Amino acid sequence: QVQLQESGPGLVKPSETLSLTCTVSGGSVSSGSYFWSWIRQPPGKGPEWIGYIYYNGNTNYNPSLKSRVSISLHTSENQFSLTLSSVTAADTAVYYCARDSFSMIANYGLDVWGQGTTVTVSS
Amino acid sequence: EIVLTQSPGTLSLSPGERATLSCRASQSVSGSQLAWYQQKPGQAPRLLIYGASSRATGIPDRFSGSGSGTDFTLTISRLAPEDFAVFYCQHFGSSPRITFGQGTRLEIK
Repeated sequence: QVQLQESGPGLVKPSETLSLTCTVSGGSVSSGSYFWSWIRQPPGKGPEWIGYIYYNGNTNYNPSLKSRVSISLHTSENQFSLTLSSVTAADTAVYYCARDSFSMIANYGLDVWGQGTTVTVSS
Repeated sequence: EIVLTQSPGTLSLSPGERATLSCRASQSVSGSQLAWYQQKPGQAPRLLIYGASSRATGIPDRFSGSGSGTDFTLTISRLAPEDFAVFYCQHFGSSPRITFGQGTRLEIK
């Protein structure tokens, strides 16, 4: 079955750039049936969608983060990645990658998630 | 942007009882755009329901979803010990594509 795994630094300094990678196994990021998404969850709070990338490179970001976010696709490695610039303590969270499954007529949910990786913004 | 408001904030029940969780949208949405997730401590959310009423793969039939317009409900018919967790409703929109409710904590009474 499809599995996702996040990787990247657990500690980032304020004003610097957060960079994470999601490795997909058991499936392909080149499939046209999915959006490959990043979601974060601050301590004690609910999840917040960051954005997604499609197999053709099209992206869609949360307007609240759009000026600082970039998601890219690495098809040869079957990975996609997240960069978030100018981070502050408010960006401290568990970061998840997830598969957003859909068709022309329906949304089937965020049906596969990585285990999450904790990122702390601190000097 | 659609805002999802979940109630109650915390629900205290015993195993074997029926749980009813509510999700209200700030404006009418299509049922095809509404999903529910369960999250246990230290774990990623798990998809329970999509399209307001369709169970995801491997989800027991004691979980059911219903509703339309602005009011949606997740029902757990007979609570099992492993069901106690935080539950989130989620909407698929245009911008942003995904929004979550603030969650309902289901705790053992």
